[in-house]
Amino acid sequence: EAQVTQNPRYLITVTGKKLTVTCSQNMNHEYMSWYRQDPGLGLRQIYYSMNVEVTDKGDVPEGYKVSRKEKRNFPLILESPSPNQTSLYFCASSHDTYGYTFGSGTRLTVV
Amino acid sequence: AQSVTQPDIHITVSEGASLELRCNYSYGATPYLFWYVQSPGQGLQLLLKYFSGDTLVQGIKGFEAEFKRSQSSFNLRKPSVHWSDAAEYFCAVGDTNAGKSTFGDGTTLTVKP
Repeated sequence: EAQVTQNPRYLITVTGKKLTVTCSQNMNHEYMSWYRQDPGLGLRQIYYSMNVEVTDKGDVPEGYKVSRKEKRNFPLILESPSPNQTSLYFCASSHDTYGYTFGSGTRLTVV
Repeated sequence: AQSVTQPDIHITVSEGASLELRCNYSYGATPYLFWYVQSPGQGLQLLLKYFSGDTLVQGIKGFEAEFKRSQSSFNLRKPSVHWSDAAEYFCAVGDTNAGKSTFGDGTTLTVKP
């Protein structure tokens, strides 16, 4: 089944403890992206990648890192999480301009 | 910079009634436009997309949208709403490299029996 898989689905962590949210897609898509969703703010793009080793900042990249060493994987790294990064995170992938396929989301709480 | 405005935060319609969700965009060239739907607790699903050509595009689940360049709009429509259409709907604009996408704040649709 064609899908974008994120792990974990739920995560509670403490301020300053580094964490990684994994994202993998099995559709051989060139484009991948991370979004955060907050009530009343819609989805805001954190980072996106146009192919292996090619990444660019979205609208809210501060406090996040990404890497794209393989086409299928696009992990999101929070080096020193803070409470304002508590949010619902979505990974997505796309072939060219066809629109994104989204994962099921990761609900992150930073205390 | 690209941007999307969804003027209606919340819309309520009766089952069987028609639906129109509004979307206005700002983009310097011909935009790539999308509508997504998000059911409670779920990820987003692509309903339809516009790149070029026919300005009326058909999507899944009986939805359609019309691109109007003069009004910078891309409104979503459905002739007869079903209770299962209750969800949050997002309009998005993408740039030509397809990586950067900007979403509106969403419109929540409630369907009355």
